[in-house]
Amino acid sequence: GESVGLHLPTLSVQEGDNSIINCAYSNSASDYFIWYKQESGKGPQFIIDIRSNMDKRQGQRVTVLLNKTVKHLSLQIAATQPGDSAVYFCAENMGYREGAQKLVFGQGTRLTINP
Amino acid sequence: DAGVTQSPTHLIKTRGQHVTLRCSPISGHKSVSWYQQVLGQGPQFIFQYYEKEERGRGNFPDRFSARQFPNYSSELNVNALLLGDSALYLCASSLDRSWGGYTFGSGTRLTVV
Repeated sequence: GESVGLHLPTLSVQEGDNSIINCAYSNSASDYFIWYKQESGKGPQFIIDIRSNMDKRQGQRVTVLLNKTVKHLSLQIAATQPGDSAVYFCAENMGYREGAQKLVFGQGTRLTINP
Repeated sequence: DAGVTQSPTHLIKTRGQHVTLRCSPISGHKSVSWYQQVLGQGPQFIFQYYEKEERGRGNFPDRFSARQFPNYSSELNVNALLLGDSALYLCASSLDRSWGGYTFGSGTRLTVV
């Protein structure tokens, strides 16, 4: 069954505010997570990844936090812009330990930016 | 540089027919994976090929098959199409065979009627 799931199907924020998208996973042995953004009519776009030996990782305007104790990860987007409007997916690479790629995606959260 | 290209972009097939979807990875990328995305859901893993060998297979029936060619392009074949096969089929490529940071194509929208 699905090992990752998002908390909210939709999220609406004001332009300029920070956005936080949450994701939970069920397998305590999970060790590699990835966030993707999908705009309408396009394929998913890689945002950032994090391995289980890290608690936090930062990119350009994005931060991913991993809490292994409660099996939760979050994607924080700073100073949200209209171009951030999209569906956001968390995913786990179930094939990582075997040197393969087998991503299991959550259901996605649709982020809407209000002007 | 060209991204991951998929063809065709859209097609309509009748139940019971066969379909072949094609994917050209980014130049130099040896890993190609296929995903099925039903409307409103996240992508679901179908296959991964790396260096022309199957590295993984998702929970899909044997009607689904794929292969990777010496130039690393790939085909996904689906036989005996069902209405439930209607979806967006995504191809993704990467340099590394286990890194999760794929580059996805825009997909092929398959409608089965």
